Amino acid sequence: QQPVQSPQAVILREGEDAVINCSSSKALYSVHWYRQKHGEAPVFLMILLKGGEQKGHEKISASFNEKKQQSSLYLTASQLSYSGTYFCGTERNNDMRFGAGTRLTVKP
Amino acid sequence: DSGVTQTPKHLITATGQRVTLRCSPRSGDLSVYWYQQSLDQGLQFLIQYYNGEERAKGNILERFSAQQFPDLHSELNLSSLELGDSALYFCASSAGTGINEQYFGPGTRLTVT
Repeated sequence: QQPVQSPQAVILREGEDAVINCSSSKALYSVHWYRQKHGEAPVFLMILLKGGEQKGHEKISASFNEKKQQSSLYLTASQLSYSGTYFCGTERNNDMRFGAGTRLTVKP
Repeated sequence: DSGVTQTPKHLITATGQRVTLRCSPRSGDLSVYWYQQSLDQGLQFLIQYYNGEERAKGNILERFSAQQFPDLHSELNLSSLELGDSALYFCASSAGTGINEQYFGPGTRLTVT
């Protein structure tokens, strides 16, 4: 079952904040976030695990509500480099399902 | 550069044909994943291998098959190709079967005419 992302698209001015949501109808053990720039491969941002552990490479924060089966990615003080499509992925028994993506555009 | 390599970069073929896409994972990674991304679509998980064995199967068609070899490189075979198979095919690798970040290769763009 594919997770549902919202919003589908968002346009920001540099320095503004955004929140991208990801929800699943099934119990989540982990939520993965990736960013894909146009014409490039997806790049890992963060994994949130049941129990509160997080693994990430960038200064991007996220939350994981296990009870609500939801995760949110918080992009603060956005930069032009944040533009791209953000995908959340949920993993169950090694089966990874990605949402349809949220297209983020940051303008100067 | 993620360290994952994929060949070829582009592939143009006709309907009914068969093609093989190749992926070499990052050094030390044992898991390989295959994904299909159609134009302006999300990532569809196809299949995962870990150390030569199939671990998980997603939305992979029966016309598609994959394998992972002893040197850990993987191949995705697509046969009886249809126009709808035109897409970007990504391979990703991760350290193991646990919950690990995946590193994506640059992708192979397949065009079926």
